[in-house]
Amino acid sequence: DGGITQSPKYLFRKEGQNVTLSCEQNLNHDAMYWYRQDPGQGLRLIYYSQIVNDFQKGDIAEGYSVSREKKESFPLTVTSAQKNPTAFYLCASSPTGAYTEAFFGQGTRLTVV
Amino acid sequence: GQQLNQSPQSMFIQEGEDVSMNCTSSSIFNTWLWYKQDPGEGPVLLIALYKAGELTSNGRLTAQFGITRKDSFLNISASIPSDVGIYFCAGPEYTPLVFGKGTRLSVIA
Repeated sequence: DGGITQSPKYLFRKEGQNVTLSCEQNLNHDAMYWYRQDPGQGLRLIYYSQIVNDFQKGDIAEGYSVSREKKESFPLTVTSAQKNPTAFYLCASSPTGAYTEAFFGQGTRLTVV
Repeated sequence: GQQLNQSPQSMFIQEGEDVSMNCTSSSIFNTWLWYKQDPGEGPVLLIALYKAGELTSNGRLTAQFGITRKDSFLNISASIPSDVGIYFCAGPEYTPLVFGKGTRLSVIA
């Protein structure tokens, strides 16, 4: 089945460690996104990519890094520079162009202790 | 940047009641999307609207594309406990997509 897969569902890390969240899609979508969601809050854009080997910062990119070496994959690294990394992270993908729908993964809940 | 304003921010209703929420923008949109996020899950697309004035239903859900193109409405009839979650509107006019901050719905049995 086509879809977008995030792994793992739950992730625990010690403070000061970098951690990479996986996002893979087989929808043949050009655009991929990472969002952060805090309890009771909306979706805040971290990074997005419209094409392989290119990506742009979103509203809260500080302390995060991404890569887009393959169309199917858009991993997010939460670095030790991110001051409050504990959150729910959502990956999404969409075809490029206007008026297109985005599809989301099931999310990764990261807890840093 | 573009912003979408959703209201209400949260609502508590009794099971069986109807629900209305809306989304407004300062800019014109040519497409409106409505998503639902269940607790601990990713948002799922409920309804897409492509034409001003359009009224589209999906089961007990009905969404309307406002005539001014600056707003959209989502109604849920005869709410049930599984309607609990956060409802987001989105405008895919631009990349990246613009999302509202969501309406959090709680249903009391």
